[in-house]
Amino acid sequence: GAVVSQHPSRVICKSGTSVKIECRSLDFQATTMFWYRQFPKQSLMLMATSNEGSKATYEQGVEKDKFLINHASLTLSTLTVTSAHPEDSSFYICSASPSSDTQYFGPGTRLTVL
Amino acid sequence: QKEVEQNSGPLSVPEGAIASLNCTYSDRGSQSFFWYRQYSGKSPELIMFIYSNGDKEDGRFTAQLNKASQYVSLLIRDSQPSDSATYLCAVRRGITGGGNKLTFGTGTQLKVEL
Repeated sequence: GAVVSQHPSRVICKSGTSVKIECRSLDFQATTMFWYRQFPKQSLMLMATSNEGSKATYEQGVEKDKFLINHASLTLSTLTVTSAHPEDSSFYICSASPSSDTQYFGPGTRLTVL
Repeated sequence: QKEVEQNSGPLSVPEGAIASLNCTYSDRGSQSFFWYRQYSGKSPELIMFIYSNGDKEDGRFTAQLNKASQYVSLLIRDSQPSDSATYLCAVRRGITGGGNKLTFGTGTQLKVEL
């Protein structure tokens, strides 16, 4: 149980384009999902907390207009990186939380912006 | 002072030995503590969590918590080459409620040598 999927697993795009990443909880309903970013050899940095049916809560320093989060259902949250630039290249990981006690991570999406 | 501190390593141990990974945290309000394992290029996977002072064992893994010293550790018995990974310590203020965000350390790289 507690399987979280992400799509796509890898994406390469040109600078200035937008990229959408999907995060799905496959066998449980997730009232809360989290989006993280991880640069090489660094730890996970929380970008935002996404609650179903409400606006996401962004961490300090994360531009909400650049990283659009939609949590339209209890099994799906999406992160859209708008007008991506090379400095946005990173490993984006979502996690989903059932109502109990812990977070389960998706496999991650590696974004490369040329 | 970082909220969650870990020695980055690498920590090298011979196969079959006990690996000891340590983590300290600054927020005395933290109540939930997690250990995740992350292989290179992959997302974190949960190893175990602990809420109460003392030891908690799960197979070859033992988590130890000392809230007075704000210290949590992970012991891996009979270390195997497949245990070679980065181990992330994470803390959360709440016990229940997956909605409370996790704060991660930067991780300790473990190398188990043949």
